[in-house]
Amino acid sequence: GAVVSQHPSRVICKSGTSVKIECRSLDFQATTMFWYRQFPKQSLMLMATSNEGSKATYEQGVEKDKFLINHASLTLSTLTVTSAHPEDSSFYICSARVGGISGIGYTFGSGTRLTVV
Amino acid sequence: GEDVEQSLFLSVREGDSSVINCTYTDSSSTYLYWYKQEPGAGLQLLTYIFSNMDMKQDQRLTVLLNKKDKHLSLRIADTQTGDSAIYFCASSYSGGGADGLTFGKGTHLIIQP
Repeated sequence: GAVVSQHPSRVICKSGTSVKIECRSLDFQATTMFWYRQFPKQSLMLMATSNEGSKATYEQGVEKDKFLINHASLTLSTLTVTSAHPEDSSFYICSARVGGISGIGYTFGSGTRLTVV
Repeated sequence: GEDVEQSLFLSVREGDSSVINCTYTDSSSTYLYWYKQEPGAGLQLLTYIFSNMDMKQDQRLTVLLNKKDKHLSLRIADTQTGDSAIYFCASSYSGGGADGLTFGKGTHLIIQP
């Protein structure tokens, strides 16, 4: 149980275009989802916390207008990279907390490798 | 904010035990986690420990927590080639709450035949 499905797994896009990444909780409801970015050989950095029905909370240094997050339902959060540039190329991973508001587990999607050319 | 540190590489022989170490700075960390990441994949939760525990064992995995020194370790007994991956230590302030996790940079476990 507690599976998070993330799509696409890989995407290549041209500079200036937008890319949408989806994160779905398959067998549970996720009121809160998290978006991370991972640079090569580096740790995962939390970008933003996505809350169902309200605005996302962005970490310091993350551009809200560039990384648009929508969490319109209890099972779906999306991250849209707008006007992508090569420096946005990275591995993006979503995560959801399992077990409701007091849950202690986090389950992760399989990640999206974004390459901007 | 919280800082989580790990060594970047660990090389062990197949069949030996692997011990991956992690230190963290925030004494308020409530839960500490170990995740495994295989190449190009997401994260797989291996185990977690609550801050009021000092040891947790789960089959080949043993987690030790020294809260006084803010030191966490993961021991993998009888290391196999399939254990080759990057292992991330992560901390959570409230065990969930509204916050995500703070990750270390990951330890790349290399298995020698």
